[in-house]
Amino acid sequence: AQSVTQLGSHVSVSEGALVLLRCNYSSSVPPYLFWYVQYPNQGLQLLLKYTSAATLVKGINGFEAEFKKSETSFHLTKPSAHMSDAAEYFCAVSVYNTDKLIFGTGTRLQVFP
Amino acid sequence: EPEVTQTPSHQVTQMGQEVILRCVPISNHLYFYWYRQILGQKVEFLVSFYNNEISEKSEIFDDQFSVERPDGSNFTLKIRSTKLEDSAMYFCASSERRQGANGYTFGSGTRLTVV
Repeated sequence: AQSVTQLGSHVSVSEGALVLLRCNYSSSVPPYLFWYVQYPNQGLQLLLKYTSAATLVKGINGFEAEFKKSETSFHLTKPSAHMSDAAEYFCAVSVYNTDKLIFGTGTRLQVFP
Repeated sequence: EPEVTQTPSHQVTQMGQEVILRCVPISNHLYFYWYRQILGQKVEFLVSFYNNEISEKSEIFDDQFSVERPDGSNFTLKIRSTKLEDSAMYFCASSERRQGANGYTFGSGTRLTVV
């Protein structure tokens, strides 16, 4: 069965510092992987997706993620954090041969001035 | 940027009442979904809908729940006889292709509070 694990329920960084949010997946077939962001009291916004094309995926708001099959990882990074990046981030995998997403437990990113 | 629109944004209902949550998916999308997020927990899949029928449902989606596409634009989730534990944020989503190859677009959610 496919799944994702997000390491670290809370991550705190200073403004301008590197953001690294970790996601590891489990899948016996090449997965489709997604990162979503949820700002307080808002819905889920797609940051980026990996669908078997380039392994380095660039998304919105300066975020990117690299698909590493050898490490079964899809970590989300941003070189320089902004205060506006404070939100909850969810990694998700599309389950093979179905139409559903399996979400990780989420990582809350705090950005300090 | 096309959007998935959900109404209402907040709904308070008494236990035992029926509620209908409404969604307008993106017009050229063919696959529709409902997810829910209980406060402080992960987002969970409820049901997927394609070609006017349920294509998959989770164990959460029991006889209390039903979905419908009553016309060419709306997609609804009905919860009969609501329970306290149905309190959650409910998200509608749609996708153009299967397995979200082009991504899934989520609405802003309906926060359902059962009292």
